[in-house]
Amino acid sequence: DTAVSQTPKYLVTQMGNDKSIKCEQNLGHDTMYWYKQDSKKFLKIMFSYNNKELIINETVPNRFSPKSPDKAHLNLHINSLELGDSAVYFCASSQDAPLAGVGEQYFGPGTRLTVT
Amino acid sequence: QQQVKQSPQSLIVQKGGIPIINCAYENTAFDYFPWYQQFPGKGPALLIAIRPDVSEKKEGRFTISFNKSAKQFSLHIMDSQPGDSATYFCAARKGGTASKLTFGTGTRLQVTL
Repeated sequence: DTAVSQTPKYLVTQMGNDKSIKCEQNLGHDTMYWYKQDSKKFLKIMFSYNNKELIINETVPNRFSPKSPDKAHLNLHINSLELGDSAVYFCASSQDAPLAGVGEQYFGPGTRLTVT
Repeated sequence: QQQVKQSPQSLIVQKGGIPIINCAYENTAFDYFPWYQQFPGKGPALLIAIRPDVSEKKEGRFTISFNKSAKQFSLHIMDSQPGDSATYFCAARKGGTASKLTFGTGTRLQVTL
């Protein structure tokens, strides 16, 4: 009955590799997000998709590419991994309402990426 | 540019104490102010949230105080327990469809016996 799930939970890889993180939500939400939490625990949004359409794209290197095959999934692909990409990546989702605005964001458990 | 400033960075209180975490913001377009609680190895979870049309909101032992004119808001945890030990983040969000949470830098709270 997990609301927002991510795979894998841990990812250790070498510099230069390409890797993907998958996210799925079973809440029926129409908006999904990727956040990055650095070693100092600072949380910063990277991307947001609403109904498979990219609506937020923060200043993120082009090596990061999100893909949303459907409303319930938002994957993150990272090319040519660098040491500085080491962080915890969180997926989140929310349900927007035209009059009430954007709803509460539910976060996944995170994926700890370590680049060596 | 840190749009939401949070303090203190860390806080240690004894069981039963009332830790207070403060946040300040600059952007008057923010219209939703949530607090998130994060335990080690877990994702942040919404604890309580407030909109700027009220000055205080209470849910159980958690209270948000909001001062719109000062652009500040704070979290109070009444009768704190060791199980409250976690990192707390304030956040702010502008209205509109391109919703983006801007987080504070986090406060690591430790409640001792």
